[in-house]
Amino acid sequence: QSALTQPRSVSGSPGHSVTISCTGTSSDVGGYDYVSWYQHHPGRAPKLIIYDVSQRPSGVPDRFSGSKSANTASLTISGLQAEDEADYFCCSYAGSFTHVVFGGGTKLTVL
Amino acid sequence: QVQLVQSGAEVKKPGSSVKVSCKASGGTFRSLTFSWVRQAPGVGLEWVGGIIINFNTATYAEKFEGRVTITADESTSTVYMEMSSLRIEDTAVYYCATDGPGAVFDYWGQGTLVTLSS
Repeated sequence: QSALTQPRSVSGSPGHSVTISCTGTSSDVGGYDYVSWYQHHPGRAPKLIIYDVSQRPSGVPDRFSGSKSANTASLTISGLQAEDEADYFCCSYAGSFTHVVFGGGTKLTVL
Repeated sequence: QVQLVQSGAEVKKPGSSVKVSCKASGGTFRSLTFSWVRQAPGVGLEWVGGIIINFNTATYAEKFEGRVTITADESTSTVYMEMSSLRIEDTAVYYCATDGPGAVFDYWGQGTLVTLSS
């Protein structure tokens, strides 16, 4: 049971948009602007795609965007492409004692 | 651009120990903080612990305190995670990652599968 709640799966057609939610509490997502998102193709190293709620590392397309409202963060992928099919998981800073908590991951299928 | 290369898969018996390595290249090792994160089958990711290289200070998730030791060797730019008293439920893929401000995991290793089997 993960600390942050994500949908198990989402799907969308090429060119369309999908949004993945990540719900925590006021002790993690709601308490800090330190939510990050990772793309994970099985068998490969996870890749950082969003940090500090909405910032994109250099090289990550602007099709990927992040936001947060209260205790829920969201990742939106627009203009879906076949290579976006992967697992996506969220992560939030949770204070100096716990450090971080993760979501259970969401499998994105591009139809 | 930091690259992290982890040691290979391990098969262990319950009660034994395992030591996984993570060799860094492409960055200034001393300036980095590393974390170990695991993903067990059917379970989400868990933060195991981390180490601040400059201070040689390790911290651990409460769940793993006393059973995990994270160390670093600056001469080889390698971080280690040793877990003792292994249990079946420790079967997981263990990842090392660089850990930046705000707990941002910028770079990840490829993962090391540790399998517990009696």
